[in-house]
Amino acid sequence: GAGVSQSPRYKVAKRGQDVALRCDPISGHVSLFWYQQALGQGPEFLTYFQNEAQLDKSGLPSDRFFAERPEGSVSTLKIQRTQQEDSAVYLCASSPPGTGRPYEQYFGPGTRLTVT
Amino acid sequence: QKEVEQDPGPLSVPEGAIVSLNCTYSNSAFQYFMWYRQYSRKGPELLMYTYSSGNKEDGRFTAQVDKSSKYISLFIRDSQPSDSATYLCAMRSNDYKLSFGAGTTVTVRA
Repeated sequence: GAGVSQSPRYKVAKRGQDVALRCDPISGHVSLFWYQQALGQGPEFLTYFQNEAQLDKSGLPSDRFFAERPEGSVSTLKIQRTQQEDSAVYLCASSPPGTGRPYEQYFGPGTRLTVT
Repeated sequence: QKEVEQDPGPLSVPEGAIVSLNCTYSNSAFQYFMWYRQYSRKGPELLMYTYSSGNKEDGRFTAQVDKSSKYISLFIRDSQPSDSATYLCAMRSNDYKLSFGAGTTVTVRA
């Protein structure tokens, strides 16, 4: 079946612009995660949704970052007034329901954001 | 100091060699340990998933966890050029939040 998809794959923004990054999780997956991966680093947790509820946003680096998942499926990560330090790959992951292997996360290909 | 430490390499080995990767961690609450493979310009792909201490084998891959030493390892036997990628260790406690290492870049030379 289809995996996690993300769009756009690449985004170039001028400093100060707003951007919106989209994630389509695997169908039926209730948990959705956003991560930020800087060059040469591992992914860093940003936020977590269970269905439409945002249960943890402790990793969002500033109030310029906002995420939503209004219908419990597609999610959007929005970054307002982008700064150069926001340049990174933004990864989305989803997890199925059930207790067999809790929170086993399947990642999308990421959106590479470059702020100039 | 980061919660999870991983030597970034790079590591270059000839085809057929054993690749040995490892991570150390500081949070004793971690109970679930994973290894992900990430090809260039792709998302991480789950390779191995281990709960608590012990060994787990899957084909050419063996994962080891030593909770007493806070040390985990991944071994790749009979390495192939297609194994060339960045390998990320990841771990978590009983909640959902994964903590990743920085990743080790591996090149298998034909």
